[in-house]
Amino acid sequence: EAQVTQNPRYLITVTGKKLTVTCSQNMNHEYMSWYRQDPGLGLRQIYYSMNVEATDKGDVPEGYKVSRKEKRNFPLILESPSPNQTSLYFCASTRTGGVNEQFFGPGTRLTVL
Amino acid sequence: SQKIEQNSEALNIQEGKTATLTCNYTNYSPAYLQWYRQDPGRGPVFLLLIRENEKEKRKERLKVTFDTTLKQSLFHITASQPADSATYLCALKRVGNNRLAFGKGNQVVVIP
Repeated sequence: EAQVTQNPRYLITVTGKKLTVTCSQNMNHEYMSWYRQDPGLGLRQIYYSMNVEATDKGDVPEGYKVSRKEKRNFPLILESPSPNQTSLYFCASTRTGGVNEQFFGPGTRLTVL
Repeated sequence: SQKIEQNSEALNIQEGKTATLTCNYTNYSPAYLQWYRQDPGRGPVFLLLIRENEKEKRKERLKVTFDTTLKQSLFHITASQPADSATYLCALKRVGNNRLAFGKGNQVVVIP
């Protein structure tokens, strides 16, 4: 089944404790992206990657890092989480070129205390 | 600045009626526009795409129109059902790459 998976689905952590949210897709998509969704603010893009070893900032990259060493994986790293990073996070992927829908993961609900 | 606007008020509609949602944008020259459905706590799911040179697109009970002069897209759900209750997001492709910019979404509640 074609899908985007994220882990963990739920995470409660404390300020300053480094964490990684994993994202993996099995559709051989070149493009992957991370979004955060907050009430009243909608979906905002954090980082995106056009292909392996090609990442770039989205609209709200501060406090986040990403890497793209393999085509299928695109982890989101919070080196020193803060309470304002409490949010619902979504990973998405799509093919590049042409007109393509984005496939979203199930989401990771992160709470930073 | 670039904006994508959707109605922040939920649309309550009687089962069987047509729900119509609006997506307005400014300072974009989108090659196409997409609509997604999102259920609470879940990832958005792609529904329809309409290109800039298309006026209307249909898929089952869904219809999308795209007016680049008005900078507006309308999303219609005909013969609405309670299972259509969700938040619907419009998204515009930014020029130059695959980045999508999303509206904040418009909630639809279909009343049995």
